[in-house]
Parts: sequence; structure tokens; C-alpha cells
Amino acid sequence: GENVEQHPSTLSVQEGDSAVIKCTYSDSASNYFPWYKQELGKRPQLIIDIRSNVGEKKDQRIAVTLNKTAKHFSLHITETQPEDSAVYFCAALNYGGSQGNLIFGKGTKLSVKP
Amino acid sequence: KAGVTQTPRYLIKTRGQQVTLSCSPISGHRSVSWYQQTPGQGLQFLFEYFSETQRNKGNFPGRFSGRQFSNSRSEMNVSTLELGDSALYLCASSLAGEKLFFGSGTQLSVL
Repeated sequence: GENVEQHPSTLSVQEGDSAVIKCTYSDSASNYFPWYKQELGKRPQLIIDIRSNVGEKKDQRIAVTLNKTAKHFSLHITETQPEDSAVYFCAALNYGGSQGNLIFGKGTKLSVKP
Repeated sequence: KAGVTQTPRYLIKTRGQQVTLSCSPISGHRSVSWYQQTPGQGLQFLFEYFSETQRNKGNFPGRFSGRQFSNSRSEMNVSTLELGDSALYLCASSLAGEKLFFGSGTQLSVL
């Protein structure tokens, strides 16, 4: 089945710097890749997602890139702010295929220092 | 539009007992997924229900079971609780299993 590896497990940056979180997946049939943000004590929330027919997607300070050949995708946060501090989870899904559930990475704890 | 509602918010049980958790999805969502969250292990998939049928199942022992009702509400049951079952149990609903909307979770502590 699908396996998703996420790196790094912890990331500390200064406010205003950029942050990059990387994930690799094992199942080449996976075609949907969302990213979730979980603030302390709160529920995970979808912040951005990308499908396999797109190489990059951007939403204000957040962008996701996908390399299908290498089977990895990344989350890029620019101009980080203290409120970006949270745990970020990547996930992969073969939507419409035999593996019909999201498989998550183990998360990256991002700390943005003012 | 109301979000995903999970009850209870907190539970304390002792080893050997059983527990039932409840999840009410967003209106119109037919898929309900359950995840176990523990520190350092991320979100481990338990199972997914769609239109009252279990569509996918993760690698958890048979002590973990679930069901979905005709109104899409779902319950998860854990029998013969073990200390290692202590975790945050998250329910998520979606239209068809893709974009998940999570509930606030049930924090289960097994003593």
C-alpha cells in the first residue's frame, strides 16, 4: 500500500524567512496530494491541495510543487509569520483507485520565531 | 453550515473496558473516515464508511470497529481497551473521500 515519508520532523525559522517541507510517496498511482495544518489543540485543516495533472499551485504565501517522476511533493511558505507555527501534514490518495483513503505523513512541527 | 461534530470530547476508561465514539458529519457528506492520532505517529487511518458500507480499512486489530447509519452519522467502538489505545481519535467527513473536514476529536485516556 501507499507510504508517505515527511521531512523534516521539526523546523524552526525566523519570522519573514521561507519554510519548505518535503514529502515522498511510494504508490505511483496516487493522484491527489493535500496539505493540512494543525494548530495546537485544534483540528487539522486543509490549507492547499494539488492533483497529479498539475505541477505547481499557489495560494498567497503558500505553494505546493509536485514531481511525479521522483514521487515527491513539497510545501513552500514564504514570508513566515508567528501564526504559521503549527504541525503540517502531507497526504496522498489514489482517488478513484483501489486505495481510497488518505495516507498521511507523520507531520512537521514548524516554529516561527518573532 | 455546521462542521463535523464529535462526542464526547474527553473520555477516561480503564483497561478491559469498551468505548463508543460518535461522529456527525457535515450535512450532505456521505463519507466518514476515522483516524488515530498519537504524538510522533501522525494520523493513522482506521477505516472509512460511505453510504453505510465500510469502504476501506487500516491496519488495526479487530477490537476497533465502526458503523455508519442511514443519516451518515458514524460510531467507532473499541473493545477490551489497552493502555496503548490512549490517543486522540479524529473523525473526518467528505463528499466522497477526498477533501477531508475534521472534527475536534475525542481524547481517550486508558488507565
